[in-house]
Amino acid sequence: QVHLVESGGGVVQPGRSLRLSCAASGFSFGTYSMQWVRQAPGKGLEWVAVIWYDGGVKYYADSVKGRFTISRDNSKNTLYLQMDSLRADDTAVYYCARDGYGYGCHWYLDLWGRGTLVTVSS
Amino acid sequence: QSALTQPASVSGSPGQSITISCTGTSSDIGAYDYVSWYQQDPGKAPKLMIYDVTNRPSGVSNRFSGSKSGNTASLTISGLQGEDEADYYCSSFTTTNTYVVFGGGTKLTVL
Repeated sequence: QVHLVESGGGVVQPGRSLRLSCAASGFSFGTYSMQWVRQAPGKGLEWVAVIWYDGGVKYYADSVKGRFTISRDNSKNTLYLQMDSLRADDTAVYYCARDGYGYGCHWYLDLWGRGTLVTVSS
Repeated sequence: QSALTQPASVSGSPGQSITISCTGTSSDIGAYDYVSWYQQDPGKAPKLMIYDVTNRPSGVSNRFSGSKSGNTASLTISGLQGEDEADYYCSSFTTTNTYVVFGGGTKLTVL
């Protein structure tokens, strides 16, 4: 079965850092681009970042640019999101998701993890 | 305020058809056929229902269909069933630095 499992969420103080991980299984991880999407409590979905299948291309939402870094280790079938200088408005459930196209991006997400909650609070 | 505009709520009776609209601009929906739709039950991860405007992933009921005209995309659900009650989000690639935009979500109630 294909799975994405996020981990690393928790409560963190404003200004601190946190690293999320997303473990992939059941598919050829290294042939898919991957994305992070977040959802603040009671709110809608917000796109965060994308990384190409080979890690060669990365794009970020303006709201996280310069503070968050997306990366991947294809040998470990794992996606990461390094979050620095966290703010209260970064509080959300963070989902990792697979772009369904393979190799490039067609900007649709056909496989999602269950999400991990990040709470930024003093 | 979301980049794509969806109605906050729609409702319909079992067996009826409903359509959820998603209005964007010439920089997103109007520019590319990278429009997708997601269904989300409370407390669960979103599920892909439609991609590339009209395509349905395997396993998704053919009661779900997508279309696009100009800067507006639409999701139609025919033969409404109670299990369709959920939140629905549209998404599109955009030529702006945002890359991906979502709608604010539409809560579907099956009466």
